[in-house]
Amino acid sequence: NAGVTQTPKFRVLKTGQSMTLLCAQDMNHEYMYWYRQDPGMGLRLIHYSVGEGTTAKGEVPDGYNVSRLKKQNFLLGLESAAPSQTSVYFCASSYPGQGGLAGDLYEQYFGPGTRLTVT
Amino acid sequence: AQRVTQPEKLLSVFKGAPVELKCNYSYSGSPELFWYVQYSRQRLQLLLRHISRESIKGFTADLNKGETSFHLKKPFAQEEDSAMYYCALNAGNMLTFGGGTRLMVKP
Repeated sequence: NAGVTQTPKFRVLKTGQSMTLLCAQDMNHEYMYWYRQDPGMGLRLIHYSVGEGTTAKGEVPDGYNVSRLKKQNFLLGLESAAPSQTSVYFCASSYPGQGGLAGDLYEQYFGPGTRLTVT
Repeated sequence: AQRVTQPEKLLSVFKGAPVELKCNYSYSGSPELFWYVQYSRQRLQLLLRHISRESIKGFTADLNKGETSFHLKKPFAQEEDSAMYYCALNAGNMLTFGGGTRLMVKP
């Protein structure tokens, strides 16, 4: 049981390049999330998904796209990387709340993070 | 809109001293609050949630709706408590995190 894994662990991009970050979970969780972590700003939600085939915008979605084609995978794409996207990216997953009620989250399980530098 | 504020970026205490990491929130709904912790070279993980009213690793946190606070406390800090601590608020299907407080416990 690997939990939440992220690929790659590190990446350096040049401005304008594109890339995809992969998040995979083996816990059969419905919900998945992508965050970015910047010094002094905590974790900010980029996009999230409440189930296979669904995605929604979080707090800082601009410049990113996501897809959830399979329940266990959540992909984060940068179409044209910018230096402002230099950050550590975390993926997380969770079950929905008891009875599937919105706003009743179980614990979020986090991946190890991807350190991205855009030059 | 919801907001979580952790006023201290860094908190440094000596081993055995009491610790209080502050967290204030603003939210129009009924709040559900959490503390997450990230030890060096480890993943972010849940420390405790207010609805459980439990003590984990000697830490407790009480939700004070009047003061809109959820401060994390421990009576006697240990060196292994050194970590990054994040307060988080459940807002619908997502968590809103504070900026984090780095706790350093000196020997």
